[in-house]
Amino acid sequence: ETGVTQSPTHLIKTRGQQVTLRCSSQSGHNTVSWYQQALGQGPQFIFQYYREEENGRGNFPPRFSGLQFPNYSSELNVNALELDDSALYLCASSLGGRGGTGELFFGEGSRLTVL
Amino acid sequence: GENVEQHPSTLSVQEGDSAVIKCTYSDSASNYFPWYKQELGKGPQLIIDIRSNVGEKKDQRIAVTLNKTAKHFSLHITETQPEDSAVYFCAASNNAGNMLTFGGGTRLMVKP
Repeated sequence: ETGVTQSPTHLIKTRGQQVTLRCSSQSGHNTVSWYQQALGQGPQFIFQYYREEENGRGNFPPRFSGLQFPNYSSELNVNALELDDSALYLCASSLGGRGGTGELFFGEGSRLTVL
Repeated sequence: GENVEQHPSTLSVQEGDSAVIKCTYSDSASNYFPWYKQELGKGPQLIIDIRSNVGEKKDQRIAVTLNKTAKHFSLHITETQPEDSAVYFCAASNNAGNMLTFGGGTRLMVKP
């Protein structure tokens, strides 16, 4: 157990809808990173939040957005869902933002299916 | 940007044998190389990492080697056990806290 919790664990949406995924980081961690893992592939970096600010972004369109709250929990929002957005969305917490030297602790993910 | 290639994509070994997984990376600025184990229905879990100032690191049955000149690094698991069966991912970054670029994964099956 890493102490990183994600909700919901599974959800099904239809194309064009919007979804919000939630993550509670490990106690003491001020950084949250989100990754998308398509079936049979490695995780791909979406973005990182550090002290409530976006602190780096991967190659994802603006309809992927996020928030980090004062307690360091985070949300990932995806608008105008497409079939290719079907994936496992992983949240990882760490300490110190991009300059941090500690490992990432991953949650168990939210599996999104878009029909 | 960084690109990480991982081989093989599947690996089947007999219990007690050794397993080796290899990765190559493209960005010479990368200096942090973690390995993750992902079991079915779970998130990736860090099993070992290496930074560019060392060439080899060992933790019990697991070892990682790094060749910065050739831009490749490898995971070695000795005396494999059935509970080692999982998907293993290598990754690279220019700092432990920064974004990780993952390889495509290796499904390791250890037959009793």
